[in-house]
Amino acid sequence: DAKTTQPTSMDCAEGRAANLPCNHSTISGNEYVYWYRQIHSQGPQYIIHGLKNNETNEMASLIITEDRKSSTLILPHATLRDTAVYYCIVRIGNTPLVFGKGTRLSVIA
Amino acid sequence: EADIYQTPRYLVIGTGKKITLECSQTMGHDKMYWYQQDPGMELHLIHYSYGVNSTEKGDLSSESTVSRIRTEHFPLTLESARPSHTSQYLCASSELDRPNTEAFFGQGTRLTVV
Repeated sequence: DAKTTQPTSMDCAEGRAANLPCNHSTISGNEYVYWYRQIHSQGPQYIIHGLKNNETNEMASLIITEDRKSSTLILPHATLRDTAVYYCIVRIGNTPLVFGKGTRLSVIA
Repeated sequence: EADIYQTPRYLVIGTGKKITLECSQTMGHDKMYWYQQDPGMELHLIHYSYGVNSTEKGDLSSESTVSRIRTEHFPLTLESARPSHTSQYLCASSELDRPNTEAFFGQGTRLTVV
């Protein structure tokens, strides 16, 4: 079973920041938080991952709370092409990714 | 761009036929995975492999089988296709000796059994 809880869906205006929350209250000390997205049932695309420090790359930022029980994925300037299902996954080492239902983000013009 | 390829992208086949879905990666990854995804639903792990001659069943029971004779190749076979096998099948790979790295996914094979 997925160890995360995410809202079913969210809307975001084009050009605005999209903030996608994820609850992982049972995360263990050596589990990482990963974010993937899936556009139109294509293969999932890796976005970012982190352990306890905030992370940023060219796609997004990941903010993890100090107690690590929740995190937020931030897309700083959402575009229509960011419309997708976003999955938050906790994972240890190289164990297989376990996907939940994710959040369906709709970016609106 | 990830170098992982699945063929065919779409397949419509009759009940009872034997089919093999191909997955190849050129990244030298030891770990490979197969996921099954019904429309609008989440991905479910059905098979994975840690390297050559290693195969494990995933969380979702599947009538399919897999083999890993070469590092770069992880085919999935259905001996006798049925309409209940209609789904999308997604292959992925990741490094084994570098923990906490991302997995890369192929574009999937959408299978329809009629």
